[in-house]
Amino acid sequence: GNSVTQMEGPVTLSEEAFLTINCTYTATGYPSLFWYVQYPGEGLQLLLKATKADDKGSNKGFEATYRKETTSFHLEKGSVQVSDSAVYFCALSAEGGKLIFGQGTELSVKP
Amino acid sequence: DAGVIQSPRHEVTEMGQEVTLRCKPISGHDYLFWYRQTMMRGLELLIYFNNNVPIDDSGMPEDRFSAKMPNASFSTLKIQPSEPRDSAVYFCASSFSSSNTEAFFGQGTRLTVV
Repeated sequence: GNSVTQMEGPVTLSEEAFLTINCTYTATGYPSLFWYVQYPGEGLQLLLKATKADDKGSNKGFEATYRKETTSFHLEKGSVQVSDSAVYFCALSAEGGKLIFGQGTELSVKP
Repeated sequence: DAGVIQSPRHEVTEMGQEVTLRCKPISGHDYLFWYRQTMMRGLELLIYFNNNVPIDDSGMPEDRFSAKMPNASFSTLKIQPSEPRDSAVYFCASSFSSSNTEAFFGQGTRLTVV
């Protein structure tokens, strides 16, 4: 079946550090891949997406590349800020419209 | 558009009572999702609809849970009877024509069953 696995959190970084959050997936067919972010007390909002192999999604300094050969979609940012503290979810959209999320990774950025 | 609107934002109820959560999706979206979020289990897909028709309800935990979508602009998730282990944040999300487009989430309903 379809599934998403993320690295466990919490991840604690100092401001301006490099961020990587790993995400791998299992899917039949060719899913679209997403990263969502959830700030405290809010719903999830889309951070970036990629719809086919080798696509790179980017937004607000975050990037992720759709790697079909390694079934991965790792999230990266070169220099994190305190305001990036949130929970990050990797997700895939499978055939039939089903949207499946990973377990989420909490990021805490310290000044 | 105001986005996905959920009500109530917070609900506290006693065990055994019926609880109804409501969702208004974004106009024009043809997919609607109900998720439950807890610390222990993360974000779980309960059920989703396409054009008001339930497509997959395999995530609905028990018969105590039911969901309806009587029209394109309204959906409900009902728990009857409620139990303390149902305490969670319930999110509704909607999207347009599935796989390549993002889902938009509501603010969620925080349910506490005492």
